[in-house]
Amino acid sequence: GAVVSQHPSRVICKSGTSVKIECRSLDFQATTMFWYRQFPKKSLMLMATSNEGSKATYEQGVEKDKFLINHASLTLSTLTVTSAHPEDSSFYICSASSPGLAVDTQYFGPGTRLTVL
Amino acid sequence: KQEVTQIPAALSVPEGENLVLNCSFTDSAIYNLQWFRQDPGKGLTSLLLIQSSQREQTSGRLNASLDKSSGRSTLYIAASQPGDSATYLCAPLGAGGFKTIFGAGTRLFVKA
Repeated sequence: GAVVSQHPSRVICKSGTSVKIECRSLDFQATTMFWYRQFPKKSLMLMATSNEGSKATYEQGVEKDKFLINHASLTLSTLTVTSAHPEDSSFYICSASSPGLAVDTQYFGPGTRLTVL
Repeated sequence: KQEVTQIPAALSVPEGENLVLNCSFTDSAIYNLQWFRQDPGKGLTSLLLIQSSQREQTSGRLNASLDKSSGRSTLYIAASQPGDSATYLCAPLGAGGFKTIFGAGTRLFVKA
């Protein structure tokens, strides 16, 4: 149980285009979802926290207009990288939590590798 | 703001050695602490989760300990194998703000 999926697993896009990454909780309802970014050979950096039905809370230094997060349902959150540039190339990982499942546990997705040419 | 430090940053050992990976964190107000494994270009694999009320957790050849008051956790790997080669990440889940903050990781290479 407690499976989180991400789609796509890999995406390559041209500079200037927008890319949407989906994060789904497959067998539970996720009241909160988190988005992380990982630069090559670096650790994961928390980008934002999103609660279902409300605006995401972004970490300091993360551009809200650049990284649009939508958490429209209890099983789906999306991250849209707008007007992508090569420096946005990174590994993006989401996680989800649910008080009904385990109040203090986050379940992580497999990640999406974005390459911007 | 929680800061997580992992030592060593990299480690190369011969097969069969027992080894210890260290993690320290600055804010002891945590719900739990997880140890993850990450293979190159891959996502995270959760290895062990220790609740704040626990002192240690064991899974096979892995043992993780937690000393919340001093802000430290260790991951002990017994009888290391080449398949253990990966990056190991320490991640406490903060009680304030409910955020998981990751350390930079320890890159382990086990030589056959």
